[in-house]
Amino acid sequence: NAGVMQNPRHLVRRRGQEARLRCSPMKGHSHVYWYRQLPEEGLKFMVYLQKENIIDESGMPKERFSAEFPKEGPSILRIQQVVRGDSAAYFCASSRLAGLSSYNEQFFGPGTRLTVL
Amino acid sequence: TQLLEQSPQFLSIQEGENLTVYCNSSSVFSSLQWYRQEPGEGPVLLVTVVTGGEVKKLKRLTFQFGDARKDSSLHITAAQPGDTGLYLCAGEMGYAGNMLTFGGGTRLMVKP
Repeated sequence: NAGVMQNPRHLVRRRGQEARLRCSPMKGHSHVYWYRQLPEEGLKFMVYLQKENIIDESGMPKERFSAEFPKEGPSILRIQQVVRGDSAAYFCASSRLAGLSSYNEQFFGPGTRLTVL
Repeated sequence: TQLLEQSPQFLSIQEGENLTVYCNSSSVFSSLQWYRQEPGEGPVLLVTVVTGGEVKKLKRLTFQFGDARKDSSLHITAAQPGDTGLYLCAGEMGYAGNMLTFGGGTRLMVKP
């Protein structure tokens, strides 16, 4: 009964490099959410995706950040030209919506801790 | 300003004591979820409350959703050192499938 999988668990990048974070949702889940947790701060929503579609990206920085959830394979959060301020824990959550009238339980992965040197 | 205000931010108590954590907002939520997060790990879902006035129990933990669905509380009876951790409330607004808005968290330490 595998939960949400994220890799890598820890990622170190130098300023200007690219960071790619992967998320495999729980079996049977087709909705993926990315959140960021800055040091000593709460979790902040970034983006919500379904297979091959971005549903809500209102929390994504306008530049350097992108996300995808292809038909096959994991969801990817990509950060180009990383800066020190990108250092944070990035969490992926997945859910299985039963319908518009149902509430939405999100299950989180263990996170990827990004450190930008 | 946080949409969801959690209080207290920090709580240090002795084993056996009771405690209550509050999660308050001026906004109405369609559902509210409580999570617990250990250092270096992701949040683990404890409970989801959906109906105004709803009360759910999970062993020594009691969760309540306010009648107006704007606030919630978590009460722990006879706290144990194993309860130590970061407790997060998260609300979902509007239609199901929307993002979660998290409170700032309550860091609980239970001393033996």
